[in-house]
Amino acid sequence: SAVISQKPSRDICQRGTSLTIQCQVDSQVTMMFWYRQQPGQSLTLIATANQGSEATYESGFVIDKFPISRPNLTFSTLTVSNMSPEDSSIYLCSAGQGKTYEQYFGPGTRLTVT
Amino acid sequence: GQQLNQSPQSMFIQEGEDVSMNCTSSSIFNTWLWYKQDPGEGPVLLIALYKAGELTSNGRLTAQFGTTRKDSFLNISASIPSDVGIYFCAGQLGGGSNYKLTFGKGTLLTVNP
Repeated sequence: SAVISQKPSRDICQRGTSLTIQCQVDSQVTMMFWYRQQPGQSLTLIATANQGSEATYESGFVIDKFPISRPNLTFSTLTVSNMSPEDSSIYLCSAGQGKTYEQYFGPGTRLTVT
Repeated sequence: GQQLNQSPQSMFIQEGEDVSMNCTSSSIFNTWLWYKQDPGEGPVLLIALYKAGELTSNGRLTAQFGTTRKDSFLNISASIPSDVGIYFCAGQLGGGSNYKLTFGKGTLLTVNP
């Protein structure tokens, strides 16, 4: 299985600012994904981070709000732009590996927007 | 889009008891995954199922891929306090570039020692 780290682990940000979250995998992986998990809720996929091309966003998520980079096969970033309190959530990255790209998750970034 | 119904929403059991939870879908999946999430952590993969009818064990955990491809079950035998957490099922269509996961809403398990 892949070992995934995220930075920062948590942050408190002011409304209107942006935060970039980093995700590092300990091995090269084909697939990387970004999820949001609101308090007490399940995981919702934001986008698939594609290496060398633009991310593929799910319905309800747009590139201007959540720009994603994936410069290589072990690293990705998610930026939460122009934040509002509604963006307060846990942001998780995952890496797809193995037989059918079953996903392994990082520890998450706990974001609070005031 | 696809939706997963996971039940029960929560369970309160005594240490040593067995636990069952399940997930049903309105459409088929080709892979079913079960995760456990502890407070303040990311989900940890417990079991992956790849074929309809498949029964797979991981220690005290046993999961089954339903024959209709629209459901999956997770059983935990002889529960212990460290089994406490939220269990999520997830379905994956697979094939081509469709490897994203659809998650159930989770089952919160509490084990009384």
